[in-house]
Amino acid sequence: EAGVAQSPRYKIIEKRQSVAFWCNPISGHATLYWYQQILGQGPKLLIQFQNNGVVDDSQLPKDRFSAERLKGVDSTLKIQPAKLEDSAVYLCASSLVPRTSGRGYNEQFFGPGTRLTVL
Amino acid sequence: ELKVEQNPLFLSMQEGKNYTIYCNYSTTSDRLYWYRQDPGKSLESLFVLLSNGAVKQEGRLMASLDTKARLSTLHITAAVHDLSATYFCAVVNTGTASKLTFGTGTRLQVTL
Repeated sequence: EAGVAQSPRYKIIEKRQSVAFWCNPISGHATLYWYQQILGQGPKLLIQFQNNGVVDDSQLPKDRFSAERLKGVDSTLKIQPAKLEDSAVYLCASSLVPRTSGRGYNEQFFGPGTRLTVL
Repeated sequence: ELKVEQNPLFLSMQEGKNYTIYCNYSTTSDRLYWYRQDPGKSLESLFVLLSNGAVKQEGRLMASLDTKARLSTLHITAAVHDLSATYFCAVVNTGTASKLTFGTGTRLQVTL
């Protein structure tokens, strides 16, 4: 089974430029997540989609970050304009539909990430 | 707001020794994950712990969960160099079904 795919793997831009990242989740996974991982820290959730709807975007800096998941499969995350503090690895993850009760759980599978450097 | 803390942040240990990484979290949760991350790589799931008293073991790693103390441990037995990596615990925010809050990570270095 193919894993979560992301591209590009690396991106270097200057501040105030724009950048976009792409994610293709595992086939059949309804839930997709974007995380930001700053060097030396744990990943922080930016946005969570279930199918093509947003479940949680409370930590997404909406003045500069946007994300969409058209047709409930692939997703793009955009930063416009970028700041120096946006330098990080952007991880995409996917899981089956999460359960809100019972003993079930839905493991998140992570992609290889996109390393962004803003100069 | 759920907070997750790990200690130590950095651990250097010799091959063959035992050690424990601790993960404390601030609010009620019934699911906790442990992940491994190698330098420049993504996250690899190690364990998911679903209930109080849960214990999982894989090779030289053993994870446990005490929901009353809001504490999970990752115990390393007879460390080998291949275990060198950064280990993260992540806790599910109760009521959100799947939102994970990650700890700060513990960077483990096993020396010969």
